[in-house]
Amino acid sequence: DSGVTQTPKHLITATGQRVTLRCSPRSGDLSVYWYQQSLDQGLQFLIQYYNGEERAKGNILERFSAQQFPDLHSELNLSSLELGDSALYFCASSVSLSGRGTDTQYFGPGTRLTVL
Amino acid sequence: TQLLEQSPQFLSIQEGENLTVYCNSSSVFSSLQWYRQEPGEGPVLLVTVVTGGEVKKLKRLTFQFGDARKDSSLHITAAQPGDTGLYLCAGEVMTGSQGNLIFGKGTKLSVKP
Repeated sequence: DSGVTQTPKHLITATGQRVTLRCSPRSGDLSVYWYQQSLDQGLQFLIQYYNGEERAKGNILERFSAQQFPDLHSELNLSSLELGDSALYFCASSVSLSGRGTDTQYFGPGTRLTVL
Repeated sequence: TQLLEQSPQFLSIQEGENLTVYCNSSSVFSSLQWYRQEPGEGPVLLVTVVTGGEVKKLKRLTFQFGDARKDSSLHITAAQPGDTGLYLCAGEVMTGSQGNLIFGKGTKLSVKP
């Protein structure tokens, strides 16, 4: 158990819909990262928040957005969903803001999104 | 665009055999990490290597970072069924003081008893 929690575990929805994925970081961690894992693209970094502020952006689509709340939990919002958005979405947390490889990221168990 | 190529993509071996998986890139990384991911779970960090030529050992697992910091290998000695999983490498790319991880697509290892 990494200490990172994600809800829901599974989500099935239709094209065009909007969903919200939730993540609670490990106690004491201020950074939250969102990743998408698909069979063809592998694990891809989407966005990082540190203590409520956006810190870094990766391959995140404009239809996707995220935020981190004062209690440090984070939400990833996916809108106008397409079939290709079906994937595993992981949240990770770490102590520092740098996103450095030497700063261990702890991954949650993921949310499996299926868009029909 | 930085890419990390992992090989082989799939590997199925018998318990007790040795194996090596590779992670290659044309880009230089500040550090490189190896993760193991089991079905239904998130990746778990195994090791971080930072210095070119560095070798780290974790029980039966040996990790090496290439001299030029562009590639890495993971060698498992006497594989056990508990080693089964998806092995991911991730290279650290720096933009100023901010780091991001670029992941390979992974090597799916199956160790049969």
